[in-house]
Amino acid sequence: QKEVEQDPGPLSVPEGAIVSLNCTYSNSAFQYFMWYRQYSRKGPELLMYTYSSGNKEDGRFTAQVDKSSKYISLFIRDSQPSDSATYLCAMRDQTGANNLFFGTGTRLTVIP
Amino acid sequence: DAGITQSPRHKVTETGTPVTLRCHQTENHRYMYWYRQDPGHGLRLIHYSYGVKDTDKGEVSDGYSVSRSKTEDFLLTLESATSSQTSVYFCAISESPTYNEQFFGPGTRLTVL
Repeated sequence: QKEVEQDPGPLSVPEGAIVSLNCTYSNSAFQYFMWYRQYSRKGPELLMYTYSSGNKEDGRFTAQVDKSSKYISLFIRDSQPSDSATYLCAMRDQTGANNLFFGTGTRLTVIP
Repeated sequence: DAGITQSPRHKVTETGTPVTLRCHQTENHRYMYWYRQDPGHGLRLIHYSYGVKDTDKGEVSDGYSVSRSKTEDFLLTLESATSSQTSVYFCAISESPTYNEQFFGPGTRLTVL
């Protein structure tokens, strides 16, 4: 069983839609949860991170963590064509980035 | 890409040949990481460095070695490349392992025939 599971998609939505991206995980020791965005042929870039459970909002993006269900989500409101990318979840325990586990990524296309 | 360059950006090589990939940073970050990215596996850590001459293994280190003689450079070597090492390789840097943002380079696409 993989540490982190993420539906690879692809996911295609019309411009303006609300997008929901999700990951599940198996290790209850994970405390830090991150979402990276990766454009085609580029390196990933950090969008948001949260610590432990709860919600975090940044503009059109909201990250949610439900540790009881071992489930994290990223919501994108009013999606734009520029949001078309692959979204990677990542998570780690207290020990540090040498134990950072990534999901396989969900490829999102926002259609104008 | 936060002052990180990788070279070469693309490489095609043959099985059994040695290959060295270079990561160069201008941010003066202490921690540097090498990942590989493959369909169905996501990003997996190969090796990382926590200072000059200080390195350690990651999840998928077999067949790879690294060296860091200067803060700004982190080299990844495939001593004898195999087709299973065909992948996209990313270098990343961070100020601290407990800092939640890693900055990634643009990647090197390696094909081993």
